[in-house]
Amino acid sequence: GNSVTQMEGPVTLSEEAFLTINCTYTATGYPSLFWYVQYPGEGLQLLLKATKADDKGSNKGFEATYRKETTSFHLEKGSVQVSDSAVYFCALRPTGGYQKVTFGIGTKLQVIP
Amino acid sequence: EPEVTQTPSHQVTQMGQEVILRCVPISNHLYFYWYRQILGQKVEFLVSFYNNEISEKSEIFDDQFSVERPDGSNFTLKIRSTKLEDSAMYFCATWTLETQYFGPGTRLLVL
Repeated sequence: GNSVTQMEGPVTLSEEAFLTINCTYTATGYPSLFWYVQYPGEGLQLLLKATKADDKGSNKGFEATYRKETTSFHLEKGSVQVSDSAVYFCALRPTGGYQKVTFGIGTKLQVIP
Repeated sequence: EPEVTQTPSHQVTQMGQEVILRCVPISNHLYFYWYRQILGQKVEFLVSFYNNEISEKSEIFDDQFSVERPDGSNFTLKIRSTKLEDSAMYFCATWTLETQYFGPGTRLLVL
């Protein structure tokens, strides 16, 4: 079946540090890939997405590139801020139809001033 | 931008009671989903709903759960007899532009 593996947190960084959260997936075909963010006490917000190999999703300074050859979709940001503190979920949706999304376990990021 | 809305935002109930969680999906969308997130754990798929019937459900979605679209706008998740382990955040979702958009969630606490 489909699965998403992401690094376990928590990840603690100083403000302006470089962020990488690793995500790899297992799926048949060419799934769409997503990063969702959950701020404390809030729901899930779509951060970025990529729907085919070599696509780069980007939003709010975050980036992730769809790497088919390594089945990865790592999240990066060059300079994190305290306001980026949240839980980040990598997710995939299989190709074809309106299928359910499969989530990774989530990685908690804490950015300290 | 259209949004998925959910009510209530929080609900506390006694074990064995029935609860109904409500969702207003983005209008004109046809595929609806419920997910849940137990505190500190991953988001898990419960059920998908299309054309007034369940199209897929997970093993979590047992006979205690049901979904319906009672009118043209609402989409509900009912838990008939709540258990302690039903305490979780429940998210409704709908599709647009190849992406699932999630509601803000209902935090359910079963005592």
